[in-house]
Amino acid sequence: DTGVSQDPRHKITKRGQNVTFRCDPISEHNRLYWYRQTLGQGPEFLTYFQNEAQLEKSRLLSDRFSAERPKGSFSTLEIQRTEQGDSAMYLCASSNRQGFFYGYTFGSGTRLTVV
Amino acid sequence: AQTVTQSQPEMSVQEAETVTLSCTYDTSESDYYLFWYKQPPSRQMILVIRQEAYKQQNATENRFSVNFQKAAKSFSLKISDSQLGDAAMYFCAYREAGGTSYGKLTFGQGTILTVHP
Repeated sequence: DTGVSQDPRHKITKRGQNVTFRCDPISEHNRLYWYRQTLGQGPEFLTYFQNEAQLEKSRLLSDRFSAERPKGSFSTLEIQRTEQGDSAMYLCASSNRQGFFYGYTFGSGTRLTVV
Repeated sequence: AQTVTQSQPEMSVQEAETVTLSCTYDTSESDYYLFWYKQPPSRQMILVIRQEAYKQQNATENRFSVNFQKAAKSFSLKISDSQLGDAAMYFCAYREAGGTSYGKLTFGQGTILTVHP
C-alpha cells in the first residue's frame, strides 16, 4: 500500500494555458474522487469514478474541466484555458467498498497557481 | 442540500490540555456518516474519527472522541492530552448513507488548531 499519489505537487501556469494533473489511487481501490480546495476553505467535491465510469460530476466542474479514468486505474483531471479563479489545491482520494463506509484515503494534492 | 458549519476558524490549546472543536450540520436525512479529518501542513488529509448516525454511542479513537447530538445536529471533536503533532487544520465532514450519494463528502470550512508547548 503506497497510498494515493498525485503528480505534480505544484504547478504554476499562465492564464489561458491547459494543465493536466494525474492521480494514482491505491491499487485495489475501485472508487476515485476529485476535490478542489481553495485557500482556507474545506474541500469541495468535483467528480467521482467507480472503476472507469464517471458517475457523478459537480456543477463546479465547468466545461473547461474534464476528468478521465481509463481502465479504472489512474485518473487525470484536465483544465483548459485556465483562469485565475482555478488557483486551488486539487485533491484526489480513493477507496474500496470498505472505505466507502469507513472513510477514504486522500493524496497530498496538486497546488495550482494561475498567473 | 446538506451543509456543514465550523464556527471556530482558529483554536489554541496548551500541550497536555484538552480542546473541543465544534461542528454543526444540516440535513433532512436520518441515516448518514460524520467524519473528522486532520490536514497537517504537509497537506495530506487524514481520517481522525467517524460516527454513524444510527449509533447512539459516541465514537472514540485513543485521545480523540466525539460528542454526537443527533437532534441538535451537532458533532464536536474532543482532543485530550493534546500533543504538538495535533497541530493542523481540522475538517468536519458529512456523508449520506445512501448509495446514490456515491460517498461524496461535504466539508466544513475548517478549524486551525495551534498547540502551544
